Amino acid sequence: EAQVTQNPRYLITVTGKKLTVTCSQNMNHEYMSWYRQDPGLGLRQIYYSMNVEVTDKGDVPEGYKVSRKEKRNFPLILESPSPNQTSLYFCASSLPGLAGGPLNEQFFGPGTRLTVL
Amino acid sequence: QKEVEQDPGPLSVPEGAIVSLNCTYSNSAFQYFMWYRQYSRKGPELLMYTYSSGNKEDGRFTAQVDKSSKYISLFIRDSQPSDSATYLCAMTQINNAGNMLTFGGGTRLMVKP
Repeated sequence: EAQVTQNPRYLITVTGKKLTVTCSQNMNHEYMSWYRQDPGLGLRQIYYSMNVEVTDKGDVPEGYKVSRKEKRNFPLILESPSPNQTSLYFCASSLPGLAGGPLNEQFFGPGTRLTVL
Repeated sequence: QKEVEQDPGPLSVPEGAIVSLNCTYSNSAFQYFMWYRQYSRKGPELLMYTYSSGNKEDGRFTAQVDKSSKYISLFIRDSQPSDSATYLCAMTQINNAGNMLTFGGGTRLMVKP
């Protein structure tokens, strides 16, 4: 089954304790992205990756790191989590967009609910 | 001001009603307009999308884009309880064909039997 998986699904942690949220896709997609979803704000992009070893900042990258060493995996790292990073996080993947080309659907994972105390 | 504005709802309608969901936007460079549906405790799923202006119909769902007014709509006919979800509009420019999405805040819809 084609899917994007995230782990863990739920996480409660304390301020300053480093954590990693994993994301994996089995669709051989080049493009992967992390979003956070907060009430009334919709999804905001944190980081994205166009391919292996190619990553770039989205709209809200502060406090986050990513890496893309393999095509299928795109972990999100919080080096020193703070309470304002309490949120619902989604990973997504798609084929790469081509200028003027057709829309490539982004497939989302099930989400990771993070609480930082 | 956010680039994409969407009424958060919640919108509560009886089964069988016609539902109208809307977004306004400010960036005239947006060319792809999408509607995602998100069930509780799930990730968003692409429902349908349109390119540039006009209408697109898919079963009970119709998406409309009015670029002159920077306004998009999703209509749901004969709404069903299974349509109860949060609906997110999303937009992107033509030069990246869907990779860089800007989302609205989402409208929560409840269809009551």
